[in-house]
Amino acid sequence: DAMVIQNPRYQVTQFGKPVTLSCSQTLNHNVMYWYQQKSSQAPKLLFHYYDKDFNNEADTPDNFQSRRPNTSFCFLDIRSPGLGDAAMYLCATSTPRLAGRFYEQYFGPGTRLTVT
Amino acid sequence: DQQVKQNSPSLSVQEGRISILNCDYTNSMFDYFLWYKKYPAEGPTFLISISSIKDKNEDGRFTVFLNKSAKHLSLHIVPSQPGDSAVYFCAASAPSSNTGKLIFGQGTTLQVKP
Repeated sequence: DAMVIQNPRYQVTQFGKPVTLSCSQTLNHNVMYWYQQKSSQAPKLLFHYYDKDFNNEADTPDNFQSRRPNTSFCFLDIRSPGLGDAAMYLCATSTPRLAGRFYEQYFGPGTRLTVT
Repeated sequence: DQQVKQNSPSLSVQEGRISILNCDYTNSMFDYFLWYKKYPAEGPTFLISISSIKDKNEDGRFTVFLNKSAKHLSLHIVPSQPGDSAVYFCAASAPSSNTGKLIFGQGTTLQVKP
């Protein structure tokens, strides 16, 4: 089945220790997104790629970086995690909007990040 | 500045009855609205969507209604089933985004009691 895969499902890191979360997709979608979701809050878009074109949200901290080496893979790097970065990180993919058409996003299961 | 709001954190209904989940938005430029369902330890899954040129879209037990003048949408589930118990997110997209990025509400937890 075509899907969005996130690894690991659970990640524990130490305060200030860099961590990388990964996402892969078999849907061959052009667009990949990273969201941060804290408990009982809305998923918050951090950034997204349209092919190789990177789009950062204005309020995404510099501490968060991303890489997309090819269509299938996308990585989220947190350079110096703080306690406030503990959250669920969701990866999603989609086909870009076309005139008169809108395509839903497909989500992975998420990575639960704990910062100690 | 929350552009999409779900003001009810939780809703409990009896199996077989109607569930109505509500969502309000502030940005009149939104042109597509979506509902996602999320079970614990899983990612959100797409449920149903509606374009701003319509006021209703139906898919089986699920119907979404859009009231543009009130900037309000609702999801109706009829009849509700215990398997519908999950967190429901509404989301919106504006045409300024060529990728289709979404703004999410904070979710409503639906519990359907047998």
